[in-house]
Amino acid sequence: DAGVIQSPRHEVTEMGQEVTLRCKPISGHDYLFWYRQTMMRGLELLIYFNNNVPIDDSGMPEDRFSAKMPNASFSTLKIQPSEPRDSAVYFCASSLFLTGRGEAFFGQGTRLTVV
Amino acid sequence: QQQVKQSPQSLIVQKGGIPIINCAYENTAFDYFPWYQQFPGKGPALLIAIRPDVSEKKEGRFTISFNKSAKQFSLHIMDSQPGDSATYFCAAGSSNTGKLIFGQGTTLQVKP
Repeated sequence: DAGVIQSPRHEVTEMGQEVTLRCKPISGHDYLFWYRQTMMRGLELLIYFNNNVPIDDSGMPEDRFSAKMPNASFSTLKIQPSEPRDSAVYFCASSLFLTGRGEAFFGQGTRLTVV
Repeated sequence: QQQVKQSPQSLIVQKGGIPIINCAYENTAFDYFPWYQQFPGKGPALLIAIRPDVSEKKEGRFTISFNKSAKQFSLHIMDSQPGDSATYFCAAGSSNTGKLIFGQGTTLQVKP
């Protein structure tokens, strides 16, 4: 398996534009997480899904943020409109909790810069 | 109640030293405590994990100590090497909800 795949790796956009980040989890995993990493706040859990259903989106900072998981192999995180304070590295991770181990495998991340 | 507090924020040790990173949690529903290692430009990767039914777990040079009553756990790196220089995150998870919450991270530098 190629692991968790995120795209794009880097995104530079202007304030006010819509940004869509994409994630392909590891095949067979039943949990998918979106995290945001900044120097100030560390790794923040934004939202997570179980079997494609959003379970907890309490970490989504504002209504400008939305996430979807239309099927088991694809998820998106959308920011509309984007603002400079959204600049961060966004990570997607997936896990298989049925094993009882709960190890989350992370993608390489998308570095978002909003200017 | 969902927070995981990690300290110190940064740590510098000499090669061969034993850096110790500490974490504390509040939610007693957490039953899975992993440590992740992150190198620049990469995503975090699982290093070692423990469940609350044991007080210590060793894997190679890495040891987790767990104190259930104090709701604290720590990572010890024995005989640290310059290649261990990275950012380390503790986390706490719940097998009931699947949620995984991370500490703030500790940047470790091991000097040659």
